[in-house]
Amino acid sequence: DQQVKQNSPSLSVQEGRISILNCDYTNSMFDYFLWYKKYPAEGPTFLISISSIKDKNEDGRFTVFLNKSAKHLSLHIVPSQPGDSAVYFCAASALYAGGTSYGKLTFGQGTILTVHP
Amino acid sequence: DVKVTQSSRYLVKRTGEKVFLECVQDMDHENMFWYRQDPGLGLRLIYFSYDVKMKEKGDIPEGYSVSREKKERFSLILESASTNQTSMYLCASSLLAGASNEQFFGPGTRLTVL
Repeated sequence: DQQVKQNSPSLSVQEGRISILNCDYTNSMFDYFLWYKKYPAEGPTFLISISSIKDKNEDGRFTVFLNKSAKHLSLHIVPSQPGDSAVYFCAASALYAGGTSYGKLTFGQGTILTVHP
Repeated sequence: DVKVTQSSRYLVKRTGEKVFLECVQDMDHENMFWYRQDPGLGLRLIYFSYDVKMKEKGDIPEGYSVSREKKERFSLILESASTNQTSMYLCASSLLAGASNEQFFGPGTRLTVL
C-alpha cells in the first residue's frame, strides 16, 4: 500500500521555465512533509519542508504548496536551472501525532527532473 | 555539518555470502535508518533504530538483520545474499525529538549480488 505517491516518473523542462513536481498521500496522520533531491551516486539531500499548519513555504527558487483537503503537495522550482536535474523525492511523517513514530519518513517513488539548457 | 558515512560505495558479492554494510554518523543522533532504493519504487525502509541495541522492522525487513552496539554506528547484515538484494543501500540518521524529522543521508552503497 503506497501511502505517498509521485505519479510522474519523469519531467522535462526548459531552462528558465517553471518545474512543478507533484505528490499525493493517503494517510491523514501525516502532518509534516519534506522534499529531498538526489543526484546519481549520492545520498538524498534535504531541500524544503512544510508543516500541515501552513499551505505554502518558500525558500529562494523553491516553493512547496500543501492542499490538506486534497492530500496533495507540490514543489515549484522557478526558474529551473540545468543543475536542478536530479531525482526528487517527496516524504511524509506523523511529526505531531505522538506515539512512537521515531522520526520515520514515508517516501514516494521519486520523479526524475531533467532541465534542458 | 552532519556527516553520515558508509563503509563502501560499491560492493560486489556472490549469492549466499554474508554481507555487512556499515554506517557511522557523527552528530549524536538517536535515530538511524537503513533504506534500499530501486527504480520506480523510491526509498523503502528496511530497519531502523532509535537507541543503542534497539531495532524495529521497517517495511521490507525480510532477508536482512541489523546491529546497533554503539550510538554512532548502525550495521545492516545480509545473512545470505541473493540476487534480488542487488540495490542501492542508503543509511540515514535523525534526532529522536527533532523539530522536523529531517533525516541526513550517507552517500549510499551500490551492492551487486552475482
